[in-house]
Amino acid sequence: AQSVTQLGSHVSVSEGALVLLRCNYSSSVPPYLFWYVQYPNQGLQLLLKYTTGATLVKGINGFEAEFKKSETSFHLTKPSAHMSDAAEYFCAVSDATGGFKTIFGAGTRLFVKA
Amino acid sequence: EAGVAQSPRYKIIEKRQSVAFWCNPISGHATLYWYQQILGQGPKLLIQFQNNGVVDDSQLPKDRFSAERLKGVDSTLKIQPAKLEDSAVYLCASSFGTGGQETQYFGPGTRLLVL
Repeated sequence: AQSVTQLGSHVSVSEGALVLLRCNYSSSVPPYLFWYVQYPNQGLQLLLKYTTGATLVKGINGFEAEFKKSETSFHLTKPSAHMSDAAEYFCAVSDATGGFKTIFGAGTRLFVKA
Repeated sequence: EAGVAQSPRYKIIEKRQSVAFWCNPISGHATLYWYQQILGQGPKLLIQFQNNGVVDDSQLPKDRFSAERLKGVDSTLKIQPAKLEDSAVYLCASSFGTGGQETQYFGPGTRLLVL
């Protein structure tokens, strides 16, 4: 069965610093992988997704993620944090074995310090 | 383009009462999802519709939860009777298709507190 593990329920960075949010997945078949962001009192919004092809995926707001099959990882990065990046981030996976049901991780809350 | 609409935004009820949530997906989206998001956890799929048919309801507690999607557009999710552990945010999402690679568009959610 698929599963998603997000390492660190809270991450704090200074404005202008590198953002790295970690995500590991479990899937026995090629997965589809997603990162969603949730701002306070709002629904989730897609940042980026990996389906097939290029393993480095670029998303909105300067975020990118790299699919590494050998490490079963899909970590999210942004070179320079902005105050507006403060939010909760969810990694998610879907694959054929789960009927393409989307499984979300527990989330990582990103704090950005001035 | 209008997003996914949900109402009410907040609801407080006592245990054993009933409650209903409403969702209007993005126009033209065939697939509609209801998720339960408990504080500190990621969203968990309760039920998925394609048009007005159920694709997956394996995690829906059918003894107390029910959902329908009338005419393949709007949807309602009902809880009867509610338990304390049902306190959560209920998110509705929609997507154009049903494939696993589809982007889901989420509404703002309904925050339910059961006392």
